[in-house]
Amino acid sequence: DAGVIQSPRHEVTEMGQEVTLRCKPISGHNSLFWYRQTMMRGLELLIYFNNNVPIDDSGMPEDRFSAKMPNASFSTLKIQPSEPRDSAVYFCASTRTNAEAFFGQGTRLTVV
Amino acid sequence: AQSVTQLDSQVPVFEEAPVELRCNYSSSVSVYLFWYVQYPNQGLQLLLKYLSGSTLVESINGFEAEFNKSQTSFHLRKPSVHISDTAEYFCAVSGAAGGYNKLIFGAGTRLAVHP
Repeated sequence: DAGVIQSPRHEVTEMGQEVTLRCKPISGHNSLFWYRQTMMRGLELLIYFNNNVPIDDSGMPEDRFSAKMPNASFSTLKIQPSEPRDSAVYFCASTRTNAEAFFGQGTRLTVV
Repeated sequence: AQSVTQLDSQVPVFEEAPVELRCNYSSSVSVYLFWYVQYPNQGLQLLLKYLSGSTLVESINGFEAEFNKSQTSFHLRKPSVHISDTAEYFCAVSGAAGGYNKLIFGAGTRLAVHP
């Protein structure tokens, strides 16, 4: 398996623009997590899905953030409109029940 | 609710010296515990895990961690570190709440190994 695949690896966008981050989890995994990593706040859990259903989105910072998982092999994290304070590395991770999580390489987002 | 506390944000150490990175957790349910390592500009990689069974778990590169339920700790140790161990280390807890495993990370400990 190729592991968790995230795209793009880097994204630079202007404030106010819509940004969509993508994730393909490992086949057979039933849970998917979105994290944001910054120097100030460390690794924050934004939202996680189980069997494509959002279970806990309490970490989503604002209504500008939304996440979907239309099927078991794809998830998106959207920010609309983006702001400079959204600049961070966004990680996607997937796991089977009661096992360890595998992480993608992350998307480095810069909002100017 | 679950939480993870990593007591040291940075740990400097000389090469070949022993090191301990501390991790304490809180959870109202049974937990699984993990240590992940992150090298610069990379994602997180699993270092070792405790799911059940023996409370002492080991990694392939000489790290070990011991699950201590009474002290709610899962400290990471290595008897002799190498320059290549320089990285950020994250402790994580996953607990079944309502049938779903929520994976929470500590703030991380930056290990700096000096020659």
